Amino acid sequence: RKEVEQDPGPFNVPEGATVAFNCTYSNSASQSFFWYRQDCRKEPKLLMSVYSSGNEDGRFTAQLNRASQYISLLIRDSKLSDSATYLCVVDPDDKIIFGKGTRLHILP
Amino acid sequence: EPEVTQTPSHQVTQMGQEVILRCVPISNHLYFYWYRQILGQKVEFLVSFYNNEISEKSEIFDDQFSVERPDGSNFTLKIRSTKLEDSAMYFCASGDQIDWTSLGYEQYFGPGTRLTVT
Repeated sequence: RKEVEQDPGPFNVPEGATVAFNCTYSNSASQSFFWYRQDCRKEPKLLMSVYSSGNEDGRFTAQLNRASQYISLLIRDSKLSDSATYLCVVDPDDKIIFGKGTRLHILP
Repeated sequence: EPEVTQTPSHQVTQMGQEVILRCVPISNHLYFYWYRQILGQKVEFLVSFYNNEISEKSEIFDDQFSVERPDGSNFTLKIRSTKLEDSAMYFCASGDQIDWTSLGYEQYFGPGTRLTVT
């Protein structure tokens, strides 16, 4: 099983729709989880940390399921500006591991 | 808003030459990182640095790589003898602990240095 696995997409979603991504991780000792977004040829930008109890930031909701070893990201009321690659990041023992990312295209 | 800066934005070098990539982390951050991203591939962790020493490094970070914090603001990555396969975007990041109960660090990335080895 790959350390951090994401569906590469692309997800083509109409503006205003809700979209969800999952990310699975292999190291059950992982303690810290994050979602980043990366625009083409730009640096990753922190979107949100993922807390055990789940957390929400505006239109974005992140969930952690330790039993099944996955984290999820839900985007509600998607905007054209949400088009990007979404990177799942897992941090077991300070050796940070990025997923390959899921590409999202929001269609007008 | 404070940000991480990196110089140069693009570096072209010949195989076998040494390069130094420079980063200025966010001023009150204590944790520093280097990553690379080969075009079309995922972001790969190279090294983390805390309290003036390496805290973790990946298999990629072999003897040709070194990091330094020469003064209170700069954080550098040196590649001693560049190879063609070192061509990539190199990102510096600095981090701050999320809170007292968390083991994780929210990281903020610089815009990257594109290294081209010819």
